[in-house]
Amino acid sequence: GENVEQHPSTLSVQEGDSAVIKCTYSDSASNYFPWYKQELGKRPQLIIDIRSNVGEKKDQRIAVTLNKTAKHFSLHITETQPEDSAVYFCATMYNFNKFYFGSGTKLNVKP
Amino acid sequence: DAGVTQSPTHLIKTRGQQVTLRCSPKSGHDTVSWYQQALGQGPQFIFQYYEEEERQRGNFPDRFSGHQFPNYSSELNVNALLLGDSALYLCASSLGVGNTGELFFGEGSRLTVL
Repeated sequence: GENVEQHPSTLSVQEGDSAVIKCTYSDSASNYFPWYKQELGKRPQLIIDIRSNVGEKKDQRIAVTLNKTAKHFSLHITETQPEDSAVYFCATMYNFNKFYFGSGTKLNVKP
Repeated sequence: DAGVTQSPTHLIKTRGQQVTLRCSPKSGHDTVSWYQQALGQGPQFIFQYYEEEERQRGNFPDRFSGHQFPNYSSELNVNALLLGDSALYLCASSLGVGNTGELFFGEGSRLTVL
């Protein structure tokens, strides 16, 4: 099965700085790579995703890059704000809507 | 438009007992997946239901079973509870098993096994 590794496990940045979270995966058959944000006690919510035929996708302050050859993808958040503080999970989709999640990154944005 | 709803939100059981968790998918969705999220970890795939059948299964023992009803709602049953079953159980709905679409999660059912 798929193995997804996520780093770092915790990340603390100053408001306005950028944050980068990285994930690697093992199965080359994975073809969809979403990122979820989970606030304390809340459900995971999709913030951005990328498919295997695209190398980069951007949505306002959030971007995701994918390197299929190296089997890694990254989340980039620019101009961080305190409300960006949450746990972020990367995931890969393997075999029709069967998702594998990373272990999460706790992002703390200090005002 | 109602999102994914789960019940109960919290429950406490003792070892050896059985539990049933319930999920109603987002309107228009026909596929339900269940995930177990231990404290400080990412969600782990348990199984997926589509057309009232289990279509895929993760690395979970047979103590974990489920059901999907004609209205697409679903139940997760766990028998012979162990302390290690304590976790947040998340239900996620999507449209079709072959569609690489977004997962919509419910708020989860937090199970504590004493």
